[in-house]
Amino acid sequence: SQTIHQWPATLVQPVGSPLSLECTVEGTSNPNLYWYRQAAGRGLQLLFYSVGIGQISSEVPQNLSASRPQDRQFILSSKKLLLSDSGFYLCAWAPNNYGYTFGSGTRLTVV
Amino acid sequence: AQKVTQAQTEISVVEKEDVTLDCVYETRDTTYYLFWYKQPPSGELVFLIRRNSFDEQNEISGRYSWNFQKSTSSFNFTITASQVVDSAVYFCALSETTLSGYALNFGKGTSLLVTP
Repeated sequence: SQTIHQWPATLVQPVGSPLSLECTVEGTSNPNLYWYRQAAGRGLQLLFYSVGIGQISSEVPQNLSASRPQDRQFILSSKKLLLSDSGFYLCAWAPNNYGYTFGSGTRLTVV
Repeated sequence: AQKVTQAQTEISVVEKEDVTLDCVYETRDTTYYLFWYKQPPSGELVFLIRRNSFDEQNEISGRYSWNFQKSTSSFNFTITASQVVDSAVYFCALSETTLSGYALNFGKGTSLLVTP
């Protein structure tokens, strides 16, 4: 069966520090992968999506970047965190538009 | 432009009441998919239902039911005989075939509080 792993669960980072959040999927190949962010207002915003290794599309300009070094690995990064980067980050995968599966999320607080 | 609108920001009901969460969407695609997710306080997103644009049959799953009406671009969610455990934020989402990567476009969510 397919599973998605996302870590860490919580993270407190100072302003200006780097960030690396990792998401891995098991039990499937060539999935579409997504990073969403949920800010304090509850809405879920799509940040990045990837349809294959090395293929990254950004939905909004920001202080973050994403990479897909392996088929089932999706990484969200930042060189220098801003206070506005605080939020709840969710990774998701889907074989197509049927049956999205979300990770358990990372709660990031930038102080 | 907002593609999925959940006009109700917060709803509070007493246990055993029925409650309907509204969702209105906007798309030019003829083929699309609609979803409902539940987000309990722990934060994870729990999948509730997926409906494709060609299937307008209403669906019932236990105390949950969904009313999909293409004529009004709505996909409303009703909880019958609500329980305290139903307290959560509920998201409606749209996936369009022309949207690159088939990403989900979420509404802002409705926070449901069920009190004993």
